Amino acid sequence: KAGVTQTPRYLIKTRGQQVTLSCSPISGHRSVSWYQQTPGQGLQFLFEYFSETQRNKGNFPGRFSGRQFSNSRSEMNVSTLELGDSALYLCASSLGGGDHNEQFFGPGTRLTVL
Amino acid sequence: GEDVEQSLFLSVREGDSSVINCTYTDSSSTYLYWYKQEPGAGLQLLTYIFSNMDMKQDQRLTVLLNKKDKHLSLRIADTQTGDSAIYFCAESRHNQGGKLIFGQGTELSVKP
Repeated sequence: KAGVTQTPRYLIKTRGQQVTLSCSPISGHRSVSWYQQTPGQGLQFLFEYFSETQRNKGNFPGRFSGRQFSNSRSEMNVSTLELGDSALYLCASSLGGGDHNEQFFGPGTRLTVL
Repeated sequence: GEDVEQSLFLSVREGDSSVINCTYTDSSSTYLYWYKQEPGAGLQLLTYIFSNMDMKQDQRLTVLLNKKDKHLSLRIADTQTGDSAIYFCAESRHNQGGKLIFGQGTELSVKP
């Protein structure tokens, strides 16, 4: 079974631009969660999508948004990029039921904002 | 609060046991997880424990949970150089299964 894939793996943008990251979950998984990882703040939860609906949301500004398609693939978008958005963005997929969701992570997209 | 705390560094000799500790604050935690991250890679799920259990063993890994003190530990027996990585504990809470709250990570260094 293929793992979680994320594209692109690396991205360089300039301040003020916007970016879209993509995540393809493991086949059969209906939940996709997104996390931001930085040296200063560690791993922080952005949001979770389940069956095309946002089910949980972290404490990030509205510039961070996401969506999920009917095939469970998910995208996240960051508009008006700031230097502080430079981070590793990780997505994780799970079956999505109940309190226990074994989340399987992709390799991440490394975003650098100049 | 949302705090999950871990010590930042641990150094052991190859063949010794490693114990990585984690504390959490929220009593509504349902499941607790241990993840491993190697340089340049995503997170690999190692093991998890349900909050009403106190111990789980999986090959070289032993997880101990003290729910009263909100303390979680991961013991790695016979630590190898390939175990060098950053280890994260994470919790999920009732009705928030898709949201994991992570500690800062413990960097484990295994010396030959």
